[in-house]
Parts: sequence; structure tokens; C-alpha cells
Amino acid sequence: AQSVTQLDSQVPVFEEAPVELRCNYSSSVSVYLFWYVQYPNQGLQLLLKYLSGSTLVKGINGFEAEFNKSQTSFHLRKPSVHISDTAEYFCAVSDRLYSGGGADGLTFGKGTHLIIQP
Amino acid sequence: DTGVSQNPRHKITKRGQNVTFRCDPISEHNRLYWYRQTLGQGPEFLTYFQNEAQLEKSRLLSDRFSAERPKGSFSTLEIQRTEQGDSAMYLCASSSPRRGGSGNTIYFGEGSWLTVV
Repeated sequence: AQSVTQLDSQVPVFEEAPVELRCNYSSSVSVYLFWYVQYPNQGLQLLLKYLSGSTLVKGINGFEAEFNKSQTSFHLRKPSVHISDTAEYFCAVSDRLYSGGGADGLTFGKGTHLIIQP
Repeated sequence: DTGVSQNPRHKITKRGQNVTFRCDPISEHNRLYWYRQTLGQGPEFLTYFQNEAQLEKSRLLSDRFSAERPKGSFSTLEIQRTEQGDSAMYLCASSSPRRGGSGNTIYFGEGSWLTVV
């Protein structure tokens, strides 16, 4: 079984300031890690993913995340946020063992609401 | 790819009525998922198809819920005798592990909102 904890339900930040959204996971096996963004009344859009290789992953819209195996974390960062980044951000994990078959469905955290203040 | 398409986008129904949602996945994606998302929560896995076979169902999927993917392309999710607790957004997603470079990336539709009154 696996789980995802997003430590902050809401993060307010001023426009053009840096932001970090925290994500910790627990799993008994190796995992794939994802960040999704959800704008109001819309579905989820993939921001970035970690499958293997470099622990620093760059995604769309200037976001990046760093996989830290020892701390079981996958925090999302952006050096300078824009008002259009206001959205709900979800961290998710998928069990590597299922990649060859069976369900590779995602387990999501509860989300972090990023609020950009002008 | 045209993306995952869901309809209707919004549905308001009276308690006790049946509702059906349709999902058209990205073409050639052989895996299709249904998730449910309630306000303030992350999506929760409901069920999963590989081609036309339903391979896994969550304990969240009560016997009032049924999902089908008869030809391995589009899928339907039917909820019978709806209850107020069924009010949520129902998300469909698809993936294709055979497609090189996509890893285990799951692509989501925009969701179907259900309100049971």
C-alpha cells in the first residue's frame, strides 16, 4: 500500500515570489512520482513526473521538483509565481511493480491550494 | 492526440434516478481509469480497464456503480439509484504503457460533475 501526504492544504504567496509545495510519500516498493495541476472546474493536467534518472525534474510552466529518496519527498518548486498559477496542485504516486500489468492507478494526496496574492 | 473527452460535463439529477457518464480516451490508449473527486479531496481510484477487460475495482465502487468498456475504446460509468453522497466529479483517464517514452503517465479528462438533489 502507498500513501501521499501534502503537508499544506493552502499556500498563499505574493506574485513573483518563489514557492515550494511539499509532498511526502510512503511505499514499500519503488514508485513513480507525479505532480498534477487542477484549475477551477477542470480536470487534471500533468505538470511533471519522476520515473528514473536525474532526481531534479523540470516540468511545464516553469515548475520543477526534486525526488529525495532518503526523505521520501517530492517537493514542487517555482522560482517566481504568476497570478495564473492560482490552482490546486496534487502530488501522486504509482507503484513501479504494476508497470507491466495490473493497475498502475495513481494514489493522490489531498491537494494544496496555491493562492497568488498581487 | 485529441485528449480524453468526457460527457456530459455537468449533470443534476434527483435522488433515486440513474445516471450514465461517457468517456472517450486518447486513441490507441489501451488502459482506461475512472476516478471520483469530492470537494477538497484528491481523486480516488474507482476502476480500471485494460482494453475491454475490467481488471480492478476499488471498494469505493458499490454495487450501484457499473462500468463498461465493450469494445475496448470508449467507456461508460452508470450509477443506479443515485444518493446525495454520490455528488462528486467523476474523472476519466487513459494511458498506454506500450507507447515509448510515456512511462506510466496517465492523462485525465476534464471530468463530469454530478449533483444529486
